[in-house]
Amino acid sequence: AQSVAQPEDQVNVAEGNPLTVKCTYSVSGNPYLFWYVQYPNRGLQFLLKYITGDNLVKGSYGFEAEFNKSQTSFHLKKPSALVSDSALYFCAVRDRGTGGFKTIFGAGTRLFVKA
Amino acid sequence: EAGVAQSPRYKIIEKRQSVAFWCNPISGHATLYWYQQILGQGPKLLIQFQNNGVVDDSQLPKDRFSAERLKGVDSTLKIQPAKLEDSAVYLCASSFPGQGVYEQYFGPGTRLTVT
Repeated sequence: AQSVAQPEDQVNVAEGNPLTVKCTYSVSGNPYLFWYVQYPNRGLQFLLKYITGDNLVKGSYGFEAEFNKSQTSFHLKKPSALVSDSALYFCAVRDRGTGGFKTIFGAGTRLFVKA
Repeated sequence: EAGVAQSPRYKIIEKRQSVAFWCNPISGHATLYWYQQILGQGPKLLIQFQNNGVVDDSQLPKDRFSAERLKGVDSTLKIQPAKLEDSAVYLCASSFPGQGVYEQYFGPGTRLTVT
């Protein structure tokens, strides 16, 4: 069965510093991987996805994520954090190997960026 | 382009009452999802439609939850009778169908409180 883990409930970072939000996954085949962000009182918004190809994926708002197959990880990164990046971030995985359609979401990591 | 619309935004009911949520996906998106997001957890898929057919409803509590998507556009999710543990945010999402892997677009959600 596919699963996704976000080991940190909360990440704190100072504005201007680099940030990393961690995600690991488990699938039977090769994964499709996604990051979504949820701002207060708003729905989830898509940030980026990995399907195949280059392991470094660039997305919205200056975010990027690195796919590491050997470590089964897909960590979200940004070189310089902004206060406005403070939000709840969700990693999600879909197992392409089973031919299924279900996307599984992690529990989320709350990012606090301090000015 | 209009986003995914949901109503109502908030609903408070007593246990054993019934409630219905409505979703209108982005125009042209044939795939529609209903998720349940309990506080502190990631979204959990309840049901997924492709046009008006059900693709996955394995996690839908069918003894009390039902969903339909007549005409392959709008969808309604119903709970009858509601339990205290149904208190959550119910998210509707849609995506473009096809051979590729498409991200999901989420509505603002309906926050349900069961007392």
